[in-house]
Amino acid sequence: SQQGEEDPQALSIQEGENATMNCSYKTSINNLQWYRQNSGRGLVHLILIRSNEREKHSGRLRVTLDTSKKSSSLLITASRAADTASYFCATGMRGGSEKLVFGKGTKLTVNP
Amino acid sequence: NAGVTQTPKFQVLKTGQSMTLQCAQDMNHEYMSWYRQDPGMGLRLIHYSVGAGITDQGEVPNGYNVSRSTTEDFPLRLLSAAPSQTSVYFCASSTGTGAGETQYFGPGTRLLVL
Repeated sequence: SQQGEEDPQALSIQEGENATMNCSYKTSINNLQWYRQNSGRGLVHLILIRSNEREKHSGRLRVTLDTSKKSSSLLITASRAADTASYFCATGMRGGSEKLVFGKGTKLTVNP
Repeated sequence: NAGVTQTPKFQVLKTGQSMTLQCAQDMNHEYMSWYRQDPGMGLRLIHYSVGAGITDQGEVPNGYNVSRSTTEDFPLRLLSAAPSQTSVYFCASSTGTGAGETQYFGPGTRLLVL
């Protein structure tokens, strides 16, 4: 079963606007990762945030993690048409598991 | 570096046929894994390996076999293809134990089982 669930399932915005996607998970985690997938392509890693971190930045990306609420958010600022893609969160579970479990993703469309 | 490569890119099989999806990486990563992606389901882990000679099951292992004889290669075998195995298959690799590290994905193999 999927550990992470992204919300919303789909998001459509205009170029220049900010896009926020959320991920909720069920069990305690060691870390959480965000990936991007352009249509028909493999996944590309964006950010990894560990359970003892609350916020992380990479360029126009900002990820937050709230372990008390078992949730994370990905913010893309000043979005561009090239940001159009599906975004997935993935969790590595506490307890030494070597399994990385992905959510179902948020499909982001940025309109020019 | 080529990264993670997968062959073939696209394959059509008839029900009951067998085939092997190839995955190779040139980054000397210990951890490799196979996922399938179906519409509306995200990625689901099929099998993974933490090093040569070591493999383990993921969420959806039934109907698939793997082996890891070298660090570089991690083939996925479909024993007797079924229409339910129609999907896009992704191979990934990483350093360390995998779950706590950046995964590098291949371009995928689209499989259609008739």
